[in-house]
This record gives sequence, structure tokens and C-alpha cells, in this order.
Amino acid sequence: DSGVTQTPKHLITATGQRVTLRCSPRSGDLSVYWYQQSLDQGLQFLIQYYNGEERAKGNILERFSAQQFPDLHSELNLSSLELGDSALYFCASSPREGWANEKLFFGSGTQLSVL
Amino acid sequence: DAKTTQPTSMDCAEGRAANLPCNHSTISGNEYVYWYRQIHSQGPQYIIHGLKNNETNEMASLIITEDRKSSTLILPHATLRDTAVYYCIVRGTGANNLFFGTGTRLTVIP
Repeated sequence: DSGVTQTPKHLITATGQRVTLRCSPRSGDLSVYWYQQSLDQGLQFLIQYYNGEERAKGNILERFSAQQFPDLHSELNLSSLELGDSALYFCASSPREGWANEKLFFGSGTQLSVL
Repeated sequence: DAKTTQPTSMDCAEGRAANLPCNHSTISGNEYVYWYRQIHSQGPQYIIHGLKNNETNEMASLIITEDRKSSTLILPHATLRDTAVYYCIVRGTGANNLFFGTGTRLTVIP
């Protein structure tokens, strides 16, 4: 158990809908990262938040947004969903802002299926 | 971040040591070598990381060559539960994330 909690584990929805994925980082960790893993793309970095502020951005679509709340949990919002958004979404956390010597700890993921 | 090159797949007999190689010939002085693994569709699991020196923990050993252009992850006594995709990642200062390549699919055979 990494200490990172993601909910829900599975989500099935329809095209055009909006969903929210939730992540609680390990106790004391200030950074949260979101990754997307689809069959043909591998693990892709989406975005990082550090202590409530956006810290780094990867290949995140404009239809997707995230935020980190004062209690440090994070939510990833996916809107106008398309079939191609079906993927595993992982959250990770690290103690500080993501220095080279910091380990990232990953949650068990949310499997999103868009039908 | 420096790119890494890993074999696509490897087999290892149960109980034997699994040696997973990684080339990172463009690594710079302040970049760390990380190893993660992903078992089926679970979240990536941290294994070990190092800068220059060899490292060992309860899961594995990491051997980094003196010129730092390559490294080897060693699982001393592979079990069936070690079957997974293993990712070698090079990460430097200012890289606020881990870049996952395609990794090595290790299959431990009974």
C-alpha cells in the first residue's frame, strides 16, 4: 500500500459527460501528480500541483482540469468525454515540489471507460 | 531528461537473479537513475534509485557504471510475483515528473 488513495476505482460513463476523479496523497506529501495510461500511449504525465498551486503541465487536454485543495487532496475533472479518453488514470504524490531525489508514490488508479 | 533504452522483454527462471539492463548514455551529472515497476494494471511501484554509487534495498540492487552511461537492476531471487514491466527512468533537477518509456516486460518462469 503506497498510502495514496484514489476514488473511484472504476467509472463508466457516456460520451459528452463530465467526471471527477479524486486523489488523497500520502500523509505529509505536498505534491500531487496525475498520469494517464492508455493502451497505445503508455504512462503520460498530465499535471502536477504543489501545495495548492499548479507546478508543471504535461500533455493535458483543454477539456481536462485539475485542482489541489487546502487539505492537499486533488481532483481531476474530465469533461466532454470522448471514447479515446478511456484509460487508467493514476495519481502520485511526493513530499515536496518534485526534486530530482524525490520518490513518487502512486495510487492504484481509476479505470475510466467511456461508452 | 536523458532518454533511456531498455530491452523490450526478458525471461528469468524462478529463484534465479534477474538482471535488467538500461542504457542512458546522455545522462548528465545531476540526473538520478530511477527504477519503477508496474504489475499488470496496478499503479507503478518504486523500486530503487541512485546517482553515482551502487544502491541496495530490500527489493533490489542498482549497479551504475562508473561513466554513468548504463545501469543494471538486479532482483536477487526472482519470484513469480516479480513478473511486471520494469521502467528505467532518468530524472534531473527541475524535472517535476517521471517520464515513463516503454520499459522491459520481465516474465518469471516457474
